[in-house]
Amino acid sequence: EAGVTQSPTHLIKTRGQQATLRCSPISGHTSVYWYQQALGLGLQFLLWYDEGEERNRGNFPPRFSGRQFPNYSSELNVNALELEDSALYLCASSEGFNTEAFFGQGTRLTVV
Amino acid sequence: EDQVTQSPEALRLQEGESSSLNCSYTVSGLRGLFWYRQDPGKGPEFLFTLYSAGEEKEKERLKATLTKKESFLHITAPKPEDSATYLCAVDNYGQNFVFGPGTRLSVLP
Repeated sequence: EAGVTQSPTHLIKTRGQQATLRCSPISGHTSVYWYQQALGLGLQFLLWYDEGEERNRGNFPPRFSGRQFPNYSSELNVNALELEDSALYLCASSEGFNTEAFFGQGTRLTVV
Repeated sequence: EDQVTQSPEALRLQEGESSSLNCSYTVSGLRGLFWYRQDPGKGPEFLFTLYSAGEEKEKERLKATLTKKESFLHITAPKPEDSATYLCAVDNYGQNFVFGPGTRLSVLP
């Protein structure tokens, strides 16, 4: 069974540009979570989508946004990139909320 | 505010030297506590879910236990391949998973 897949693996952008990160959940999973993990820091919750709706949002500015598609895949968009946005962005999926979440391998975003 | 802390921050063990990692939590409501293992530059790998005080789960050299305020991850006779960062997270009834900062474990041959 395929796990959570994220693309691209690495992404290099210039300050001020926009980045789009993609996530395909495990088949049958309806919830998708996005986390940011800056170098040496813990996982910071960004967004949670379930059944196509945004259910919760972490303490991040509005330039971090996303959506979930009818097939439950998800996209994270980061506008007006700043240097401090450089981090590993992790996507996780679960069968529904309140069940264990499984993570993808992440997208390493570097802003120069 | 919901909070998860882990100790120690880093731990170095000799191969075969058993030890425990701690995860303490303060949450408005606990539906579940999760343990993950993370290797550098990789996504966290799910290990265990614990739902109620007194519950225990085992997997190879790892055993996780849960009380009302904390969880322990016991590592018995660790091997170098057990070296990783171990993360715990709590599910506060669907708001989101709150992660602790992790414990970096190094097992020396």
